[in-house]
Amino acid sequence: SQTIHQWPATLVQPVGSPLSLECTVEGTSNPNLYWYRQAAGRGLQLLFYSVGIGQISSEVPQNLSASRPQDRQFILSSKKLLLSDSGFYLCAWSDRVAGDTQYFGPGTRLTVL
Amino acid sequence: TQLLEQSPQFLSIQEGENLTVYCNSSSVFSSLQWYRQEPGEGPVLLVTVVTGGEVKKLKRLTFQFGDARKDSSLHITAAQPGDTGLYLCAGEGRDDYKLSFGAGTTVTVRA
Repeated sequence: SQTIHQWPATLVQPVGSPLSLECTVEGTSNPNLYWYRQAAGRGLQLLFYSVGIGQISSEVPQNLSASRPQDRQFILSSKKLLLSDSGFYLCAWSDRVAGDTQYFGPGTRLTVL
Repeated sequence: TQLLEQSPQFLSIQEGENLTVYCNSSSVFSSLQWYRQEPGEGPVLLVTVVTGGEVKKLKRLTFQFGDARKDSSLHITAAQPGDTGLYLCAGEGRDDYKLSFGAGTTVTVRA
């Protein structure tokens, strides 16, 4: 069966510090991968998605970047965090062929102070 | 951008009552998903519907996909406190594998 992992689970960082959130998927090959940000109790905003190694599409201009160094690894980064980067970050995967359903990781709660 | 509107935004009911959550759009979707999310956790998939007019039942939950594939509803019969959570609908466009999410409905079932 497929599993998706995210870490860390929670993170508190000062403004201006760098960020690296990691997401890995097990039990599948060539997945589509996604990063979302969620405001408290609300819907999800798609930040980045990837259909293959090194292929990243950005959905909104922002202070963040994403990379996919391996087939089942997706990384969300920032060189200098802003207060507005605080939020709940979710990674998801979907099957490359079927694609219609996304499966989410447990999320990372990021607080920028 | 395909927009999904969910209603109501908040719903608080007594245990044993029924509830319905709506998800509407002016866009056509190739499929639509419903997720439930608990605080501090990732959304968990409840169902995927792909055919216009489709009805799926999962125990006390009934999901409908509109004939035109622009809207959907989630109905819960005899709600229980364990049904409490944020319910999210998400639609997949015809041309890509991205999902557009509704803003969510926060459901609270009081014991």
